[in-house]
Amino acid sequence: KAGVTQTPRYLIKTRGQQVTLSCSPISGHRSVSWYQQTPGQGLQFLFEYFSETQRNKGNFPGRFSGRQFSNSRSEMNVSTLELGDSALYLCASSGGTGLGVLANEKLFFGSGTQLSVL
Amino acid sequence: QQQVKQSPQSLIVQKGGISIINCAYENTAFDYFPWYQQFPGKGPALLIAIRPDVSEKKEGRFTISFNKSAKQFSLHIMDSQPGDSATYFCAASKVTSGTYKYIFGTGTRLKVLA
Repeated sequence: KAGVTQTPRYLIKTRGQQVTLSCSPISGHRSVSWYQQTPGQGLQFLFEYFSETQRNKGNFPGRFSGRQFSNSRSEMNVSTLELGDSALYLCASSGGTGLGVLANEKLFFGSGTQLSVL
Repeated sequence: QQQVKQSPQSLIVQKGGISIINCAYENTAFDYFPWYQQFPGKGPALLIAIRPDVSEKKEGRFTISFNKSAKQFSLHIMDSQPGDSATYFCAASKVTSGTYKYIFGTGTRLKVLA
């Protein structure tokens, strides 16, 4: 099975611009979640989608949004970029049934998109 | 209530030694505690995980010790190898809620000297 694919791998933007990141989950996985990774802050949860519905959202401003398509692919958008948005953005997929079955709870991460805001 | 505190921030261990990383959580509703390993340029990968109904889980050289009353859990890497050099993240979640909001620790950068 192919792993989680994130594109692009690197992005350089300037303040005020907007950016869209893409994530293709493992085939058959219906849950896609997004995390922001910065040195010292670790991984911070952005949001999670399951069957095109946002099930949970982290404590990020409304400039951060996402969506999931019927094929489970997901996109994350950040509008009006700020210098502090520079980070590695990670996407993770899982079976996502929420039934407490550990096999479904395992997160499979992509390699991330490194975003630099100048 | 949603924090997971991880220590130490960095750790240097000699080859063959034991690496120990600790985490503490606050929310007693958490029911799943995984550890993820991340190599440079890669996303984190699940290493080992535990549910709160057991106090210890071992997989090869990796062991999770879980103390429910103290709300603490730790990762022990026995016979540490240079290939174990990576960043380790503990995490906690309430998977039975049907949501996938994982709270991660801030990470421990482990370096194993040859």
